[in-house]
Amino acid sequence: ETGVTQTPRHLVMGMTNKKSLKCEQHLGHNAMYWYKQSAKKPLELMFVYNFKEQTENNSVPSRFSPECPNSSHLFLHLHTLQPEDSALYLCASSQVADTGELFFGEGSRLTVL
Amino acid sequence: GQNIDQPTEMTATEGAIVQINCTYQTSGFNGLFWYQQHAGEAPTFLSYNVLDGLEEKGRFSSFLSRSKGYSYLLLKELQMKDSASYLCAVRDSNYQLIWGAGTKLIIKP
Repeated sequence: ETGVTQTPRHLVMGMTNKKSLKCEQHLGHNAMYWYKQSAKKPLELMFVYNFKEQTENNSVPSRFSPECPNSSHLFLHLHTLQPEDSALYLCASSQVADTGELFFGEGSRLTVL
Repeated sequence: GQNIDQPTEMTATEGAIVQINCTYQTSGFNGLFWYQQHAGEAPTFLSYNVLDGLEEKGRFSSFLSRSKGYSYLLLKELQMKDSASYLCAVRDSNYQLIWGAGTKLIIKP
């Protein structure tokens, strides 16, 4: 238990579906992150929120849309995805942004058909 | 460009010692991190080095040489539960984390 909870753990969706991934942290942290993890590839940073403000958007396609309603919750809205978007999506939090000590959730395994 | 290199996979024997290397070329340096990720689980923070030398934490130690752009993670008295992927990450001049692809460590009895 890392204090970061992600739901759902597994998601299968078609290319025309709309779905959302949810992340909640119980650590009192002020920064939250979305990462994409593909097999045998480095973690790819997607989005960073620091004190609810988006501070990083790493050239992510618009079919991924983040939302951070408060410091404890982070969503990733998915729409019109492609099969190459199939991956493990990891949420993380940290006390503040720019620290390297991140607390990760167990991830949401996404399969796009 | 920025790059982190680490071996894709390593195998070691229970009770032995293993060293996982990480070399980096980044735009600036503000610390190096090691994470452990068991299959199907969240990555968890293991260690942080910002100055040259060895940091020891129980059975795990991490070494850094900034002049060589090199670090290693040393695992002693290996246990079966140490089977996992080990991720190396460097924080660059913009305080962004640059990640390696990870080293899958397989422990055999």
